[in-house]
Amino acid sequence: AQKITQTQPGMFVQEKEAVTLDCTYDTSDQSYGLFWYKQPSSGEMIFLIYQGSYDEQNATEGRYSLNFQKARKSANLVISASQLGDSAMYFCAMRESYTGANSKLTFGKGITLSVRP
Amino acid sequence: NAGVTQTPKFQVLKTGQSMTLQCAQDMNHNSMYWYRQDPGMGLRLIYYSASEGTTDKGEVPNGYNVSRLNKREFSLRLESAAPSQTSVYFCASSRQGGYTFGSGTRLTVV
Repeated sequence: AQKITQTQPGMFVQEKEAVTLDCTYDTSDQSYGLFWYKQPSSGEMIFLIYQGSYDEQNATEGRYSLNFQKARKSANLVISASQLGDSAMYFCAMRESYTGANSKLTFGKGITLSVRP
Repeated sequence: NAGVTQTPKFQVLKTGQSMTLQCAQDMNHNSMYWYRQDPGMGLRLIYYSASEGTTDKGEVPNGYNVSRLNKREFSLRLESAAPSQTSVYFCASSRQGGYTFGSGTRLTVV
């Protein structure tokens, strides 16, 4: 069974500073994919970044990067130069297969990030 | 581009009433999913449909039924609503690894 663990109850960061949101996962699969989603107070789920288990380099998307440590089974999200609009709930999720065909996502419980001006 | 459309956006039900949450996608995605989100619990999978004509239970299927009406539409039915089903429901679709979520349905059962 898959499991995603997000243990930070809530995070605070000063505007313009970097912040790391932690995610560990548990799977016996060799092929899997890891996702991060942002959920602002308006409620929609916004895709941020993706890392495949066979990807050799850490994924980056603008101010978002994923610190992927496969041996430790961690996939931490790093947000650089935080902005007030980054205040939201952040979810880590895992997909069963690398290619994603017909595979469901399993989510962690989420982390609330608050950016202070 | 509409993406994934969920209706209704808000609903209040009395205990024991039934209702169907509708979901439609216009991206020609094969797979569709229903999740519920509760405070402190993240999103939990209720049912999913890997392709038209197939449905499978997820983590929390009790009290729900689904229908994959065609490739575009995947509905979630509550036959006899209970207060424990008060939640925000998300529909999602996917093809080759990319997932698109609807905007959610906030359901309150009183």
